[in-house]
Amino acid sequence: GAVVSQHPSRVICKSGTSVKIECRSLDFQATTMFWYRQFPKQSLMLMATSNEGSKATYEQGVEKDKFLINHASLTLSTLTVTSAHPEDSSFYICSARDSQSTDTQYFGPGTRLTVL
Amino acid sequence: GQSLEQPSEVTAVEGAIVQINCTYQTSGFYGLSWYQQHDGGAPTFLSYNALDGLEETGRFSSFLSRSDSYGYLLLQELQMKDSASYFCAGGTGRRALTFGSGTRLQVQP
Repeated sequence: GAVVSQHPSRVICKSGTSVKIECRSLDFQATTMFWYRQFPKQSLMLMATSNEGSKATYEQGVEKDKFLINHASLTLSTLTVTSAHPEDSSFYICSARDSQSTDTQYFGPGTRLTVL
Repeated sequence: GQSLEQPSEVTAVEGAIVQINCTYQTSGFYGLSWYQQHDGGAPTFLSYNALDGLEETGRFSSFLSRSDSYGYLLLQELQMKDSASYFCAGGTGRRALTFGSGTRLQVQP
């Protein structure tokens, strides 16, 4: 099956710093990638839709200036958490849709962010 | 928008059969997917129903009734490793998935 990777898998940073998370589709092209956030014992919540070559679409309540998304190629999307605060500590998961597919999404392994 | 409701917890014994229900309210519904997530891990795809009826994949089966806005995941011959959270998710064409509230399955010896 299709493989999606994320890097880093785990990051600990100080409050006020910025953290970049990469999401790559390894064996397929993804014109659309999605970024989700999951707090402990809760469901996955969509943060934004990343579109290759255009601006990301953010869900209501997600600050686009705080969560910067760049989808510069068909295999890479990045999420940058700017000026991170402890409340941003969460599990961030990306997914990618195969451009040839319909609704099947392939999830990355996730990135656990801890902000001290 | 979409909302998908699931029971929060289900407990069953090894070797048994368990059914996890999912009811949804949505506009522009496209299909129902099921994902498994172990603690600390990312969701892994289990099954997808685009049409009404039953889809079988090994020990797991998934059912969809669009007229009833209802689906379920059936797990047979439960194993300890099946202890995890299970999410139904609704898709609308090219948009992202909306995940249900999740069901935590505890398999006991």
